[in-house]
Amino acid sequence: QKEVEQDPGPLSVPEGAIVSLNCTYSNSAFQYFMWYRQYSRKGPELLMYTYSSGNKEDGRFTAQVDKSSKYISLFIRDSQPSDSATYLCASSTSGGYNKLIFGAGTRLAVHP
Amino acid sequence: EAGVTQFPSHSVIEKGQTVTLRCDPISGHDNLYWYRRVMGKEIKFLLHFVKESKQDESGMPNNRFLAERTGGTYSTLKVQPAELEDSGVYFCASSQQGSTEAFFGQGTRLTVV
Repeated sequence: QKEVEQDPGPLSVPEGAIVSLNCTYSNSAFQYFMWYRQYSRKGPELLMYTYSSGNKEDGRFTAQVDKSSKYISLFIRDSQPSDSATYLCASSTSGGYNKLIFGAGTRLAVHP
Repeated sequence: EAGVTQFPSHSVIEKGQTVTLRCDPISGHDNLYWYRRVMGKEIKFLLHFVKESKQDESGMPNNRFLAERTGGTYSTLKVQPAELEDSGVYFCASSQQGSTEAFFGQGTRLTVV
């Protein structure tokens, strides 16, 4: 069983839609949960991270972690064509040590 | 401020040859990581340096891979001899000590033919 599971998509939505991206994980020791965005031929870029359970909001992006169900979510409001990218969830057991365990990544396409 | 820089961006080599990938982390970042994405798979951890010391090399696939970090600055990852299954994108990342945020380079796409 993979430690972090993520549906690879692709996911195609119209501009302005609310996007929901999800991951599940199996390792109870994970404490930090990240969302990275990766454009084609670029490296992953950290969008947000959450410590333990709870919500975190940054502009149009909201990250949620439910440790009881081992479920990680990223919501994108008012999606834009510029949001078209691959979104990777990642988890780690320590905040100061970034041995990240990645999901497969979900390809998102936002069409005008 | 410059980000994490990786050289080359793309390398095509024949099976059995040697390739060396280089990573220049963000200045002042003590932590340096190597990751790899093989076609169709997740990005996977290879190893972690703190300054010039290897802290965790549990992800290194075998002894054909050798990583070094000279003087705690740039790092190299050598594959010798390269095999077909080594093809993939190799990412380097760096972070400040104690920070949760790791910054990734653009990756080196390695193709072994």
